[in-house]
Amino acid sequence: AQSVTQPDIHITVSEGASLELRCNYSYGATPYLFWYVQSPGQGLQLLLKYFSGDTLVQGIKGFEAEFKRSQSSFNLRKPSVHWSDAAEYFCAVGASGGSYIPTFGRGTSLIVHP
Amino acid sequence: NAGVTQTPKFQVLKTGQSMTLQCAQDMNHNSMYWYRQDPGMGLRLIYYSASEGTTDKGEVPNGYNVSRLNKREFSLRLESAAPSQTSVYFCASKSPENFLLPLHFGNGTRLTVT
Repeated sequence: AQSVTQPDIHITVSEGASLELRCNYSYGATPYLFWYVQSPGQGLQLLLKYFSGDTLVQGIKGFEAEFKRSQSSFNLRKPSVHWSDAAEYFCAVGASGGSYIPTFGRGTSLIVHP
Repeated sequence: NAGVTQTPKFQVLKTGQSMTLQCAQDMNHNSMYWYRQDPGMGLRLIYYSASEGTTDKGEVPNGYNVSRLNKREFSLRLESAAPSQTSVYFCASKSPENFLLPLHFGNGTRLTVT
């Protein structure tokens, strides 16, 4: 069965600092990986996704993520964090075929200090 | 451009009361999902519907029932609410033809059971 681990429950950074949110996955075949962001009081919005090809993928809002098969990781990064990036971030691994049911990690809450 | 619409936004129930959470999407998606979100637990799948007329249990279906009324609407019913069902509930939809397409989420229903 597929699973996702986000080891950090909370991350605190200063505005303008760089950011890396960790995600480790377990999946038997080639994984389909996603990062979603949830702003307060909102639903989840897709930031970026990976299936194959270039292991560094670019997303919206200046985010990027790097797939590392040897480490079973798909970490999310941003070079310079803005106060508006404060939100909950979810990593997810997807299944192909059938009804498609992604498995979500428990989320990492990002706090941005001015 | 409504996307996924959930009603109500907030609800308070007493233990034993029943209610139905409504979800509608206007993107002509075949697949629809109900998740609950609890602190530190991420999103857990309650039920999903791969297409009109079909529903299947997810990870945490106990205490819930669903109805896929038509292609647009997927409702979640609590027959006898319990305090353990206090949570934020999200409906999502997706076009299943491509597994890389993202889930589209509603803004959630915050339910408190006293």
